[in-house]
Amino acid sequence: ETGVTQSPTHLIKTRGQQVTLRCSSQSGHNTVSWYQQALGQGPQFIFQYYREEENGRGNFPPRFSGLQFPNYSSELNVNALELDDSALYLCASSSQGTRSEKLFFGSGTQLSVL
Amino acid sequence: SQQGEEDPQALSIQEGENATMNCSYKTSINNLQWYRQNSGRGLVHLILIRSNEREKHSGRLRVTLDTSKKSSSLLITASRAADTASYFCATAPGGGADGLTFGKGTHLIIQP
Repeated sequence: ETGVTQSPTHLIKTRGQQVTLRCSSQSGHNTVSWYQQALGQGPQFIFQYYREEENGRGNFPPRFSGLQFPNYSSELNVNALELDDSALYLCASSSQGTRSEKLFFGSGTQLSVL
Repeated sequence: SQQGEEDPQALSIQEGENATMNCSYKTSINNLQWYRQNSGRGLVHLILIRSNEREKHSGRLRVTLDTSKKSSSLLITASRAADTASYFCATAPGGGADGLTFGKGTHLIIQP
């Protein structure tokens, strides 16, 4: 079991609403990345934060935004929710900065958009 | 978009047998990793193989990498019921903070 914790575990929202998901990284890790996993698919990279700066982004629109705090915890914010945003959102931490090395994943937040 | 493609999509074997799953990818990589996911929850890192390595072992796991064919295989020996899970390969690009690119996974079922 990793030391990465995510909250909440489940969330139900309505189309058009905004949502904030939270992640506490494993002790000693300064890099947090977020992934979206639709049902039956593999995770897709949303973005990565290193030392409080976004330093990598996947193919997601600007309504997906994030923050990393001085203690390296992180938030994922999604505005103007769409039905297709329904997915498992996974946070992962690592200590490698800009290199894509071994990731430690949290258990995820299951988001349902109605 | 998914770079890696696992094969087969699903695999059912008897406990004690060996399980082999394959992964193909499209672009050059820095490393390739395998992860396990139980019941749609968090992923657990299994093994990482770098682009200049051809084979790696970890316990009952054996991973091979063929960069000329852009493919990798994961072998689980002496399977156990607890190995039932989805297995994903993930590739890391040649440089930068582009995150990992995952395939769609192989769902492995171990019959007791």
